[in-house]
Amino acid sequence: DAKTTQPPSMDCAEGRAANLPCNHSTISGNEYVYWYRQIHSQGPQYIIHGLKNNETNEMASLIITEDRKSSTLILPHATLRDTAVYYCIVRVVGAGNNRKLIWGLGTSLAVNP
Amino acid sequence: GAVVSQHPSRVICKSGTSVKIECRSLDFQATTMFWYRQFPKQSLMLMATSNEGSKATYEQGVEKDKFLINHASLTLSTLTVTSAHPEDSSFYICSANLAGAPQGGHEQFFGPGTRLTVL
Repeated sequence: DAKTTQPPSMDCAEGRAANLPCNHSTISGNEYVYWYRQIHSQGPQYIIHGLKNNETNEMASLIITEDRKSSTLILPHATLRDTAVYYCIVRVVGAGNNRKLIWGLGTSLAVNP
Repeated sequence: GAVVSQHPSRVICKSGTSVKIECRSLDFQATTMFWYRQFPKQSLMLMATSNEGSKATYEQGVEKDKFLINHASLTLSTLTVTSAHPEDSSFYICSANLAGAPQGGHEQFFGPGTRLTVL
C-alpha cells in the first residue's frame, strides 16, 4: 500500500511557482521521500529526494516538515513542459534488504498558458 | 549518465504467445532491477525485484510462472510474459539501481517503458 497521499490534480499558471503537497504521516525514520514525474506514456523522471533536510537542485526544491509527516515539491517557474503526473514516493526497505519505491496515485499538474 | 533502455518500446502479439522485454543499464552496473506494470490512468505497480545471479522476488499477487524474470548480468534483465492474454496488455517499465551508489544518493533509474498489446 502507498504510504503517501496527494491531491489528484492541480493547476498552475505558466511562469508561476507550482507547490505540490504530499502527506506521508506513517513514514519511518530511515525512509526517504522521493519525487518523480511522468509525462504521458513515458518512463518516470527523477526530480529530487530527501530524508529530513530541505533539498534543492536544478529542477526543484523539496521542503520537508520537521516532523517528516509531509513535504512540498516546489517548481519555481513552471513551464508548459512541466505538465505531468507528479509522484511523491516513500522508499522502503523490503525483503532481502532491497530498497523499493512504493508508488501512490500522484498529482496531475496542468500548467496553463 | 545512468541511462536505462528497454526493448522493444512497443509490441503487439496474439493471445497465447510469449513476449520477452529487455531492460539494459547502458552506462552503469545494476545489481538490482525492478519491473513495474502500469494500467491506463493508474500508478506504477511493482511486480518483482530482480537481483543479479539470483531468483527474482515477486510481489504478492504476481504469478511468477507467468512473468518470468532473468537477471543474468549486471546490465541486463529480461521479463517474459508467457501465454499472454488481453488482460496482460499494459505498460511495462523497468528500473535499475546503480551499484555502489552512496548512502542517501539517488540510485534508481527508469527505462522508457514497453507498451504491450495482446489481441
